[in-house]
Amino acid sequence: ETGVTQTPRHLVMGMTNKKSLKCEQHLGHNAMYWYKQSAKKPLELMFVYSLEERVENNSVPSRFSPECPNSSHLFLHLHTLQPEDSALYLCASSSRQGAHGYTFGSGTRLTVV
Amino acid sequence: GQNIDQPTEMTATEGAIVQINCTYQTSGFNGLFWYQQHAGEAPTFLSYNVLDGLEEKGRFSSFLSRSKGYSYLLLKELQMKDSASYLCAVNPNSGYALNFGKGTSLLVTP
Repeated sequence: ETGVTQTPRHLVMGMTNKKSLKCEQHLGHNAMYWYKQSAKKPLELMFVYSLEERVENNSVPSRFSPECPNSSHLFLHLHTLQPEDSALYLCASSSRQGAHGYTFGSGTRLTVV
Repeated sequence: GQNIDQPTEMTATEGAIVQINCTYQTSGFNGLFWYQQHAGEAPTFLSYNVLDGLEEKGRFSSFLSRSKGYSYLLLKELQMKDSASYLCAVNPNSGYALNFGKGTSLLVTP
């Protein structure tokens, strides 16, 4: 257990489904992140929230919709995904602007069929 | 753009020493991180370098040369449990995002 909890650990969804990924941290961190990890590729930053405000959005398709209701929780809402969206989705948190690195969750392994 | 390069795979023998290199070309520099990631698990923090030189922490050491855009992670007295992916990441400015390399998959053999 790293202090950042992600659920579910595994998710299989059809292209017409709507699902949500959840991330929770109780480390007192004030920034939270969504990263996508695909095989043979670097981690790709998707969204950054600081103090519940989105501060970065890296040209992510609108079928991915983040939500940060408070500093401890982060969601990624998914709808009409494509098979190429299958990947490991990692949530992370940090105490301030990444200066001391992130604490990652174990990720959600998403398969789109 | 941001470019961070590290070898894709490495193999080493239990008890040996291995060095994993990382070169970077980024728009700015505010620190370099190494993470370890076992299959199916979260990446975990190993080291942070912001000034030139060697940082030692037990069996693991990390080196940085800012003028060369170069870092390495040195693992001594390798153990089977060190088999994992090692991720190099750079903070290019004082903001939030870390830019990651593709990771180096290390296999430790008996």
